[in-house]
Amino acid sequence: AQKITQTQPGMFVQEKEAVTLDCTYDTSDPSYGLFWYKQPSSGEMIFLIYQGSYDQQNATEGRYSLNFQKARKSANLVISASQLGDSAMYFCAMRDLTGGGNKLTFGTGTQLKVEL
Amino acid sequence: DAGVTQSPTHLIKTRGQQVTLRCSPISGHKSVSWYQQVLGQGPQFIFQYYEKEERGRGNFPDRFSARQFPNYSSELNVNALLLGDSALYLCASSPGGVENIQYFGAGTRLSVL
Repeated sequence: AQKITQTQPGMFVQEKEAVTLDCTYDTSDPSYGLFWYKQPSSGEMIFLIYQGSYDQQNATEGRYSLNFQKARKSANLVISASQLGDSAMYFCAMRDLTGGGNKLTFGTGTQLKVEL
Repeated sequence: DAGVTQSPTHLIKTRGQQVTLRCSPISGHKSVSWYQQVLGQGPQFIFQYYEKEERGRGNFPDRFSARQFPNYSSELNVNALLLGDSALYLCASSPGGVENIQYFGAGTRLSVL
């Protein structure tokens, strides 16, 4: 079964600093996809970045980058130059094709607070 | 372009009642998925529909049902509501393809009293 583990329930970072949010995963599938989503207090899940298991390079999207270490089964999100608006819950997720359907299995999330 | 839209945004029901939640996908997306997010947890998969057919179902009781219409919009129905059904219900649409990124709506907050 697919499993996503996020061990940091909460993180603090100062504005303009970089922060790394940890994510490890477990799967027996040779082909898989990893996602990061941001969830502000309003509730909407906002897609940030995607990494395919066969992608040779780490994914980047603006201030977001994914530090993909396949052998360690980790897919950490790096946010550079943090802004106050980055304060939110962040979820790591994996594509899960088991049992039918193309669904996402989510971790428990990390609450990020950006401080002045 | 409009994103995924869900209605209503908030809903209060009492135990035993039935509820219908609605979702309109991003234009061109043929797949719709439903997730339940209980406070303090990550979303849990309920259903996926593609081209009006159920493609996957999560570990939820038969009180939960869904359908997808010819215009790819979708409804989630929950019968005989329990207090534990109180949650944020998220709808996501996806275009298919290799990455098949799911884009979420703002959700419907259901409170069961």
